[in-house]
Amino acid sequence: DAKTTQPPSMDCAEGRAANLPCNHSTISGNEYVYWYRQIHSQGPQYIIHGLKNNETNEMASLIITEDRKSSTLILPHATLRDTAVYYCIVRVSSQAGTALIFGKGTTLSVSS
Amino acid sequence: GAVVSQHPSRVICKSGTSVKIECRSLDFQATTMFWYRQFPKKSLMLMATSNEGSKATYEQGVEKDKFLINHASLTLSTLTVTSAHPEDSSFYICSASGGRQSSFNKAFFGQGTRLTVV
Repeated sequence: DAKTTQPPSMDCAEGRAANLPCNHSTISGNEYVYWYRQIHSQGPQYIIHGLKNNETNEMASLIITEDRKSSTLILPHATLRDTAVYYCIVRVSSQAGTALIFGKGTTLSVSS
Repeated sequence: GAVVSQHPSRVICKSGTSVKIECRSLDFQATTMFWYRQFPKKSLMLMATSNEGSKATYEQGVEKDKFLINHASLTLSTLTVTSAHPEDSSFYICSASGGRQSSFNKAFFGQGTRLTVV
């Protein structure tokens, strides 16, 4: 699986958009970009994933650059409950039998 | 989304005893389950992969005789920490994939088990 690079930490004011970047310059054509988050002392929670096109769901939006070498997770209106470690992972979607490998992620701190 | 339930959420045991942690997929059949360990302020580290009805595959450096994994059914996997020592104190997390969710390959995670060995 391709390696990802994320900033170790970010701050965001409550109610503002949180934009979390991820670099994956060695991503291959059949690898998807997945985002998970982990709130303190809980298991990781799936947020969103995408291949080429931008994606949006009830939790967030995922913007993938045209060359697919980087992406941005957008939380449109961050709340205090969004404080968590956010993990960007790239992998082949068909590999249901292989584990997700977590990097260090980005610790997002949302403050009032 | 699919639900994965892990039990217990917190356990304290004496050094030398064994502890069993259960991981259940509540609304789908999990052909594969994964066990992770997480130390404070660190990321999740994969310990092993278990497939229903077969032996688990352990990551390098993980003692298979110490961390016994059983995946006897499509909805249940167990991790038993045998002869626990204080250095085994950690946050253990299971993950499951399979069933109708496999087309998206969204792994689902349990809520984790905080093990403290005293």
